[in-house]
Amino acid sequence: DARVTQTPRHKVTEMGQEVTMRCQPILGHNTVFWYRQTMMQGLELLAYFRNRAPLDDSGMPKDRFSAEMPDATLATLKIQPSEPRDSAVYFCASGFGTVSYNEQFFGPGTRLTVL
Amino acid sequence: SQQGEEDPQALSIQEGENATMNCSYKTSINNLQWYRQNSGRGLVHLILIRSNEREKHSGRLRVTLDTSKKSSSLLITASRAADTASYFCATDDRAAGNKLTFGGGTRVLVKP
Repeated sequence: DARVTQTPRHKVTEMGQEVTMRCQPILGHNTVFWYRQTMMQGLELLAYFRNRAPLDDSGMPKDRFSAEMPDATLATLKIQPSEPRDSAVYFCASGFGTVSYNEQFFGPGTRLTVL
Repeated sequence: SQQGEEDPQALSIQEGENATMNCSYKTSINNLQWYRQNSGRGLVHLILIRSNEREKHSGRLRVTLDTSKKSSSLLITASRAADTASYFCATDDRAAGNKLTFGGGTRVLVKP
């Protein structure tokens, strides 16, 4: 069955290291979202793409985070350099059509721990 | 501040009882969605209610929307242990490009 996949599922790294998270959206979906979930801040939208073009990345710290869609089957979220405050679960979601009128399908998340 | 705020933050009930949680929001919306998140998993879409709808049903779920009060409620009837999860409302803010903003969630524990 169609689902969003994310790799890695868990990542432990040291402060200052580069972290790359990958997402494969559901085939045919044209919107992709990156969220970050923490106990303190809840679920925050970092960036979203439509038809591979970035539409909004206002929720993302620009100095260290970057999000790209090299092709329709791959979205990446990169943190360089990573900091302990980046520790969180990062979710990718995909959907089709107008964001607010359609459901989003979430991946299982990447649990990131930065020491 | 969050667009959607759920109330209560946590809820503990016995299997078979009903669970009700509420969501309040601040701005005009097109739609409101409810999602469920099981521990350690991604969110799963439950139901979408449009701004011109007042009530919607899906199985054991009943959602209401009151745009004059800027609030929504999610009722789970005849709860089961498998309903144990966190429940989030998500609203689209017309003034913010219609992207979804999620509330802090209600943690529901259904005891067998």
